[in-house]
Formats: sequence, C-alpha cells, structure tokens
Amino acid sequence: DGGITQSPKYLFRKEGQNVTLSCEQNLNHDAMYWYRQDPGQGLRLIYYSQIVNDFQKGDIAEGYSVSREKKESFPLTVTSAQKNPTAFYLCASSMGGNSYNSPLHFGNGTRLTVT
Amino acid sequence: GQQLNQSPQSMFIQEGEDVSMNCTSSSIFNTWLWYKQDPGEGPVLLIALYKAGELTSNGRLTAQFGTTRKDSFLNISASIPSDVGIYFCAGFLQGAQKLVFGQGTRLTINP
Repeated sequence: DGGITQSPKYLFRKEGQNVTLSCEQNLNHDAMYWYRQDPGQGLRLIYYSQIVNDFQKGDIAEGYSVSREKKESFPLTVTSAQKNPTAFYLCASSMGGNSYNSPLHFGNGTRLTVT
Repeated sequence: GQQLNQSPQSMFIQEGEDVSMNCTSSSIFNTWLWYKQDPGEGPVLLIALYKAGELTSNGRLTAQFGTTRKDSFLNISASIPSDVGIYFCAGFLQGAQKLVFGQGTRLTINP
C-alpha cells in the first residue's frame, strides 16, 4: 500500500535539545509539506518542498529546519530556538508539479512533547 | 496569511440529524478540499472540488464549490457515531501553490 509514514508517533525531549521528525512517502509525489497543529486550532504550514533539493519557508518556519535530499523523504528538525515546540506535527505530500492544486495526503502525525 | 473562516466551530447533534458547515473567504480559490480528522490521526481527504458551482457527493457527504469561488459548504446526512471528529476545509488560492486551512468544525454526536 502506498502512503506516508511518520515516526515516531510520540516523542519526548528535554528543553534545549534539537529533535528530528521523520517523514517518508512511497506515493512518488513531488511535493512534501510539514504542518503544526496546536489544540483547538487549524493546521499551520512550517515548510514545504516542491522538488528534491529545494524547499521554501511556510508561515511559521522560525525555529525549524528541513532537508529534501531524496524524493521520498522530508525530515523536520525542531531546534532549540523554537520557543513552543510542544505540538502535533503532520507531514503531507501531493503530486505537485503541474498538478500544483492536487490534494494533500497526510501521515498520522508525531506528537512532540518538550519539557 | 490568508484567512478561511470556517463555521460553526463546534456542533452537538443527535444521531440521525443532518449536518451543515461552511467556509468563506474574501479571496478567490481555485480548489476546495474537505478533510476529516480523528483524534490523534492525520486528516483524511473526503471531497475535492475544482470548478465553481461543482456539487460532489461521497456517500452521505455532499460538498459544493461556491459560484463566487470564495466559499464552500459540506453537508452530512443522517449522521452516525463514526462521523464524530474535526472537519477542515482547505483551499488553494488562485495563482498560489500553498494550501490554506480553516480552523475546523468539531462534530459531537449524542447517541
């Protein structure tokens, strides 16, 4: 089955530590995205990538970094500069390219807790 | 960023009732998407709309792309317990490649 895999499901870190969230897709999609979701709120875009070796900042990129070295992988690093890192993080992918308005397909999320 | 106003924020209904929710904006969209999110899971695509005026059904769900291209609604008929969750509208602004999300409608069903 094709899909998007996020790991781990739950992640706990101490304040001041960087942490990397994994996202892998086998849908052969060009575009990948990272969203943050806080309780009772909608999804806010952190970073997105429309092609390998290229990515753009979303609306709340400060304190985060990404890489896109392979088409199927788009890891997100939450750095110690992120002031409120505790949240539910969602990775998504879409066909992208000329189908830029194709629907996003989401992984099942990683819940990060920083204490 | 661009705003999508989704309403209502929450709904408490009896099983079997019909549900209606909508999203509006001051901007023009060329695609509307409706997602459902269960607790602790990622959103799942319910319906995609690509043309103004388009009316699309998926089982008991019906969604429409507003003729002004600034709004969309989602209806659920004869609600059942598994319809519980958060429903999000989302749209691609005309000429843009980023998806904008509404704030969500939390649906609770009393058996």
